[in-house]
Amino acid sequence: GESVGLHLPTLSVQEGDNSIINCAYSNSASDYFIWYKQESGKGPQFIIDIRSNMDKRQGQRVTVLLNKTVKHLSLQIAATQPGDSAVYFCAENVNQAGTALIFGKGTTLSVSS
Amino acid sequence: GAVVSQHPSRVICKSGTSVKIECRSLDFQATTMFWYRQFPKQSLMLMATSNEGSKATYEQGVEKDKFLINHASLTLSTLTVASAHPEDSSFYICSAKRGGLRNGYTFGSGTRLTVV
Repeated sequence: GESVGLHLPTLSVQEGDNSIINCAYSNSASDYFIWYKQESGKGPQFIIDIRSNMDKRQGQRVTVLLNKTVKHLSLQIAATQPGDSAVYFCAENVNQAGTALIFGKGTTLSVSS
Repeated sequence: GAVVSQHPSRVICKSGTSVKIECRSLDFQATTMFWYRQFPKQSLMLMATSNEGSKATYEQGVEKDKFLINHASLTLSTLTVASAHPEDSSFYICSAKRGGLRNGYTFGSGTRLTVV
């Protein structure tokens, strides 16, 4: 992912809107990506993942899009709810046994009702 | 399934003391565990990779003599912050990996360390 150390960007939406959170990754060798949700004071919570042989994957209310050409990942949340308010991180991994997930910069999603 | 327990959740210690954080995989054997540090409003930064029965691999810039990692069994890894100082105050998070599963990463709930 991108280098860390900067304040997280913020996305503010109204309840019921669709949210799009973006992430750029830097390692062209990465072939597996995960989106995590982190609430204050808690560990990351798995949302959805995608392998590099796919461009799109859908879950319940969430869709992940992968554009390997420009090394870009996005998370779309449909009908955003106040409970979706959290920090969202993308994480990447290279297909080698036992390697760690590397986290991107993160985006704070704020949902108002 | 796939639960990782991390303790303590919060700890306040005096400068110069050591603090141990435990990370346990409760219902699976973790071939590899990872330790991350997260400062306020920032992302998770990988500190080290821990494999059972072998020495941990530290990321560049992480002091191995200060952040001691022990992975004595397939279900337990510990991180000891030696002679902690206020700048070590942070949120520490562990992750355990189930072997053979691409999405086999499970995270602990984190430990808030405050050094006064």
